[in-house]
Amino acid sequence: ETGVTQTPRHLVMGMTNKKSLKCEQHLGHNAMYWYKQSAKKPLELMFVYNFKEQTENNSVPSRFSPECPNSSHLFLHLHTLQPEDSALYLCASSQRWDSQDSPLHFGNGTRLTVT
Amino acid sequence: RKEVEQDPGPFNVPEGATVAFNCTYSNSASQSFFWYRQDCRKEPKLLMSVYSSGNEDGRFTAQLNRASQYISLLIRDSKLSDSATYLCVGGSDGQNFVFGPGTRLSVLP
Repeated sequence: ETGVTQTPRHLVMGMTNKKSLKCEQHLGHNAMYWYKQSAKKPLELMFVYNFKEQTENNSVPSRFSPECPNSSHLFLHLHTLQPEDSALYLCASSQRWDSQDSPLHFGNGTRLTVT
Repeated sequence: RKEVEQDPGPFNVPEGATVAFNCTYSNSASQSFFWYRQDCRKEPKLLMSVYSSGNEDGRFTAQLNRASQYISLLIRDSKLSDSATYLCVGGSDGQNFVFGPGTRLSVLP
């Protein structure tokens, strides 16, 4: 397997559920990201991990909890979400977080629906 | 927050046409510029990086104009398969790559 893989592809959850999104990158990159993409809005950065240390938390509500056990894996734990959290959640990785020559490579995303 | 603006379109063009998109950015200190392509309900995929000297890849040409703070994407000889949303990255704000909202392109037979 190559690239950035995310599971699950689709997730429907109730507001009281707890679920987790998983991301794995096989590119040897050092930085991993969670982005949220809502309809008709630009991509919004949620979290950044650089060498598995969280370096940015973009004012994300605590009902979203990231975890990065190593440079290749990233999780997003979800609990007590709201219907407005329904969106496409994209994981990405890059070789470095601060270089023009280090673009983001995205996973195929998890389409989340909160009912 | 540093913003990036794009015309959302849609741009409807016939096959074989040449089409150009612009994207303006507000952070004059920006260093990172890219174009991504996103198909419906799929993830964004890197199309090309954008450098001050310009960048060409087959039918696609990207330019950066630092003085006017915009980047452009030119697509020549459009194909049906070019239909997608094109996202620009106009620099970074800390570790946050700043994405535009995207421009939708439909290439018509």
